[in-house]
Amino acid sequence: AQSVTQPDIHITVSEGASLELRCNYSYGATPYLFWYVQSPGQGLQLLLKYFSGDTLVQGIKGFEAEFKRSQSSFNLRKPSVHWSDAAEYFCAVEGAAGNKLTFGGGTRVLVKP
Amino acid sequence: NAGVTQTPKFQVLKTGQSMTLQCAQDMNHEYMSWYRQDPGMGLRLIHYSVGAGITDQGEVPNGYNVSRSTTEDFPLRLLSAAPSQTSVYFCASSFTAGGGTEAFFGQGTRLTVV
Repeated sequence: AQSVTQPDIHITVSEGASLELRCNYSYGATPYLFWYVQSPGQGLQLLLKYFSGDTLVQGIKGFEAEFKRSQSSFNLRKPSVHWSDAAEYFCAVEGAAGNKLTFGGGTRVLVKP
Repeated sequence: NAGVTQTPKFQVLKTGQSMTLQCAQDMNHEYMSWYRQDPGMGLRLIHYSVGAGITDQGEVPNGYNVSRSTTEDFPLRLLSAAPSQTSVYFCASSFTAGGGTEAFFGQGTRLTVV
């Protein structure tokens, strides 16, 4: 069975600084990987996804993520964070049967002015 | 576009009561799912459906029932609520593109069982 680990529960970053969120997955085949963002009291919004091809994928809101098969990782990055990036971020992997997502525990990002 | 609509947004139940969480989508997606979100555990799959008339269990199905009579609707029923079912519930609809699935989530239902 697949699993996703997000090692950092909370991260605090200053506005304008860079951000990197870690995600490690366990899956036997080529994974489909996702990053979602959840603002307070809201549902989840897809930031970006990796299905195949280029291992560096670009998403919305200036985010990017890099798939590294050798490290079983799919880390999310943003060069310069904005106060509006304060939210909870979830990494997810899609199962073999499709349509079923396995989520990590989430990383809550706080942005200091 | 409405996307995925969940009702109600908030609900308080007494232990043993039953209720139905509603979910509707207007994107004509075949796949629909229910997840629960608990602190530190991310989202866990309760039940899912690959089309009208077809449902299956996810990771944490106990205490919940679903049915899918139409493409648009996928209600989640709590038969006898327990405090352990206090959680935030999310419905998602999804489609397959480029080999993978892209999911759209509702705004969630925050359920408290006392």
